[in-house]
Amino acid sequence: GQNIDQPTEMTATEGAIVQINCTYQTSGFNGLFWYQQHAGEAPTFLSYNVLDGLEEKGRFSSFLSRSKGYSYLLLKELQMKDSASYLCAVMDSNYQLIWGAGTKLIIKP
Amino acid sequence: IAGITQAPTSQILAAGRRMTLRCTQDMRHNAMYWYRQDLGLGLRLIHYSNTAGTTGKGEVPDGYSVSRANTDDFPLTLASAVPSQTSVYFCASSASRTGDTDTQYFGPGTRLTVL
Repeated sequence: GQNIDQPTEMTATEGAIVQINCTYQTSGFNGLFWYQQHAGEAPTFLSYNVLDGLEEKGRFSSFLSRSKGYSYLLLKELQMKDSASYLCAVMDSNYQLIWGAGTKLIIKP
Repeated sequence: IAGITQAPTSQILAAGRRMTLRCTQDMRHNAMYWYRQDLGLGLRLIHYSNTAGTTGKGEVPDGYSVSRANTDDFPLTLASAVPSQTSVYFCASSASRTGDTDTQYFGPGTRLTVL
């Protein structure tokens, strides 16, 4: 079966750095997405990786290793507004997005 | 309108009733999707549409139907609601379903409770 694994919850301190990991087993691979979802709101797109390596976008970076079935989202200079759930999703060979259950990130002052 | 709108925002429904959740996008995206989100689970695809006039089944299609009469609208119908359909429903769209324009953008969601 297809599976996306990410930690259920993480806690970090304002101003610090946090890395959220995602491992996947899917039938085929057509890219990996990270979304942010604040409580009670819709998911919003953060990043897309299809090739191995690091993609940097401001305070957020996303890394992909296709051979290891692994990705991480790196958040720097954490702010209180970064408290949210972070969803990892992989597009399989049928171009269907397979979603992880999400990682709830709690930022403490 | 900017982006994707969904209606209603929330609804409490008696079991056995019929309900249609509405979704409209103004981005001229070809592909549209319906997901449900339940606590502790990832988003699960109910139905999708690659382009106007076509629809397909996702991971959890039973008890739901969709239509895509035009590019902008993609309604989801529960023919006879059951309590297990209590969930938050998200509509999403993407420029296409394949290729590098397949980033999905989400509507604000509909919170449905079936009693």
